[in-house]
This record gives sequence, C-alpha cells and structure tokens, in this order.
Amino acid sequence: QKEVEQDPGPLSVPEGAIVSLNCTYSNSAFQYFMWYRQYSRKGPELLMYTYSSGNKEDGRFTAQVDKSSKYISLFIRDSQPSDSATYLCAMKGGAQKLVFGQGTRLTINP
Amino acid sequence: DTAVSQTPKYLVTQMGNDKSIKCEQNLGHDTMYWYKQDSKKFLKIMFSYNNKELIINETVPNRFSPKSPDKAHLNLHINSLELGDSAVYFCASSQDLPGRGYTFGSGTRLTVV
Repeated sequence: QKEVEQDPGPLSVPEGAIVSLNCTYSNSAFQYFMWYRQYSRKGPELLMYTYSSGNKEDGRFTAQVDKSSKYISLFIRDSQPSDSATYLCAMKGGAQKLVFGQGTRLTINP
Repeated sequence: DTAVSQTPKYLVTQMGNDKSIKCEQNLGHDTMYWYKQDSKKFLKIMFSYNNKELIINETVPNRFSPKSPDKAHLNLHINSLELGDSAVYFCASSQDLPGRGYTFGSGTRLTVV
C-alpha cells in the first residue's frame, strides 16, 4: 500500500464549478500537508500549506486536513480554465522526506 | 532570476550512454533533492543532500550518482542509460526547517532510445 493515495483522474468540470480533490494517507507521523500545482511541462509549484488538522483558505482555494481520518482535501471555488493542471498532494513528518500522491489531472472547460 | 534551474531541459540519448544533469539554486536553501516523475506523473524521491552531505538515498540503481560540489549545486550523473530511465527528473530545494515546502526546477525530460 502506498503511503499516500490520490485518485489520478482525469477530472473534467465546467468553468465556475466547485472542484474537490482528495488524498488519503497511512503514516500517522505526517504533520505537514501541502498541495502543489503542476502545469504541463513545468515543475510543481507550492499552492497551499497546512500544519495539522483544520482548514486554510487562500482566495478561491481551501485546504482541509482531517488527521483522525487521515484524509486531506483541496477545494477550488469558481474554477477557471487557468486552473487546469495536475494537482499533487504532498506530506511529511518533521525532517522526513516529502511524500507525494500520484497527482490528479484537472481540466476546467470554458 | 530563476530560483532552481536545471540543465538541460531536454535530453535524448541512446541506451548505454552516460549523461549528467545539472542543478543550481539561488535561494540560499540548505537541502537539495532529485525526484523522478514517471509517465503517470508519480513523483518519487531519489536523493537528498543537506549542505553537501547525502542524507536520503532511496532504492535507486547505483548507475545513478549524485554529486554536490557546494550547497547551491546538485548534479546527477547516470551511467549506462536504460530505456526505463526515460522520465522527467526534477531538482528541488528547501530550507532546513520542519514543514517547509520544496521549490522545484522546471525539470529535465530524459528520453533513452
């Protein structure tokens, strides 16, 4: 079983829809949770970062962490075609290496 | 003023050849990494260096050898390239603080023919 599981999609939604992306994990030591966005032919870029359980909002993006269920989510409100990319969840515990999910390919259709 | 830069961007080479990929970061970060991304977009760590010292060495064939001449540079040398080595290789760096995210380069697309 992989440490981090993420549905690879692809996921295709109309412009303006609310998008929900999710990851589950098995390592209880994970404390730091991140979402990266990767455009085609580019490197991943850090989008959201949360520590421990709870919600964090940044503009149209909301990251949620539920440590009791070992489940994290990223919500995108009022999705735009420019949000079309691959979204990767990533997590680590302390000084450990960052472990990535497989990435979900998202397309927002105008 | 690119933060993490890799060269070359594209590399096409024949099986059996030896090649190197270079990485440089100007962020003052202490730790640098090499990740491999396969065709299904899965990012897997290969190596990590902290201040020129190897701290993570995942299960990677010993044909792959990282070298860090100083903390701003981390190169990857690959001997006897195989078809299965075809992938995108990403260099990344981070500050030496718990929970800090990584800054990635734009990747080197390696194709072995």
